[in-house]
Amino acid sequence: GAVVSQHPSRVICKSGTSVKIECRSLDFQATTMFWYRQFPKQSLMLMATSNEGSKATYEQGVEKDKFLINHASLTLSTLTVTSAHPEDSSFYICSARWASGVSDTQYFGPGTRLTVL
Amino acid sequence: DAKTTQPPSMDCAEGRAANLPCNHSTISGNEYVYWYRQIHSQGPQYIIHGLKNNETNEMASLIITEDRKSSTLILPHATLRDTAVYYCIVRVGATDSWGKLQFGAGTQVVVTP
Repeated sequence: GAVVSQHPSRVICKSGTSVKIECRSLDFQATTMFWYRQFPKQSLMLMATSNEGSKATYEQGVEKDKFLINHASLTLSTLTVTSAHPEDSSFYICSARWASGVSDTQYFGPGTRLTVL
Repeated sequence: DAKTTQPPSMDCAEGRAANLPCNHSTISGNEYVYWYRQIHSQGPQYIIHGLKNNETNEMASLIITEDRKSSTLILPHATLRDTAVYYCIVRVGATDSWGKLQFGAGTQVVVTP
């Protein structure tokens, strides 16, 4: 299957700082990438859809000014958590959409564990 | 969106087949059924997807009923490494061309020796 990477895999930061997470599709081009958040013992929650060259679309309840998404190329999307607070501590996972014919598949990165002190 | 219903947990003996059910009674005609799994503290892993016909790949088989209201994921020979949460997802339909995936609670599968 296609490979998606994330960096960093784990980050610890102080409250009030900003953290950038990178998501890369390594062996395919992805015009669409997605960002999810997962709290302990819960399922994945879609945060936003990132389209190359255009503004991201955020799910209801997700603050676009707090979670900045940039999708500058067909293989890279970044999520910046601005002015992070302890409640932003979570497991952040990206996926990249691989389209082929009439169906398509999303491949997921390994996730980034964010801890805000 | 079409919703899915899965049992919260299942146990399976190592080496035996694991049959994971999923109900999606409100699925639309152009919506696909996707299966992913998530091993603890990792990103979800794609397993298989299908529309109408049964599908098989190196990981699993997907059996979709003729009315498409339910499906079964079959892991032919379960191993301890198959212990994970398995998600059955129906892709959001025609109004969303980006193909968003909405995750439910999934089924926690535990494979025992």
